[in-house]
Amino acid sequence: GAGVSQSPSNKVTEKGKDVELRCDPISGHTALYWYRQSLGQGLEFLIYFQGNSAPDKSGLPSDRFSAERTGGSVSTLTIQRTQQEDSAVYLCASTEGANTGELFFGEGSRLTVL
Amino acid sequence: GDSVTQMEGPVTLSEEAFLTINCTYTATGYPSLFWYVQYPGEGLQLLLKATKADDKGSNKGFEATYRKETTSFHLEKGSVQVSDSAVYFCALSDLGAAGNKLTFGGGTRVLVKP
Repeated sequence: GAGVSQSPSNKVTEKGKDVELRCDPISGHTALYWYRQSLGQGLEFLIYFQGNSAPDKSGLPSDRFSAERTGGSVSTLTIQRTQQEDSAVYLCASTEGANTGELFFGEGSRLTVL
Repeated sequence: GDSVTQMEGPVTLSEEAFLTINCTYTATGYPSLFWYVQYPGEGLQLLLKATKADDKGSNKGFEATYRKETTSFHLEKGSVQVSDSAVYFCALSDLGAAGNKLTFGGGTRVLVKP
């Protein structure tokens, strides 16, 4: 597609369940980022991929959060044993190179943990 | 660490009014500065950027000047339209770091009434 695609757009889950969020970046973009936007908060950096490797995982809030990227394209963010404080919009962004200055964002996946 | 502070919203204006959204930053290096905008139902998109001191970014009638002496990057538009209603995010990127990780402010919601 033309833009960054994320799925699902909305996910409601019960506390304790695992969830997977998917990001399909713009074709050819080597860098991929995950951010989290909580209600009333700014965007919180989670993880950065360059190709399939993740040189910066510093924003992952706990070991319940993990992410992978395969084939230098699609990325999956997994949250295990979800908690209510995980409720947020999870945003994915991609960019052509590591230092171009512009990130292209998807519309996000809204996660609600009951 | 790096941080961005921007004025809290919501900011409510009438059409053709002057808009200013204040943004200040703290950074150890020499960051690039950005304004991103999130229109209702859409993903974040880059509005404008400035990569060095005294640079002025401009787009769609919006302007912001990189002021190193005051560590500020205030966004201005002389005459807003209803279509400018959105959430605006100030951000910085230290391009010396790994990747192009952006640090965002909390966002400012702007509502323009006809």
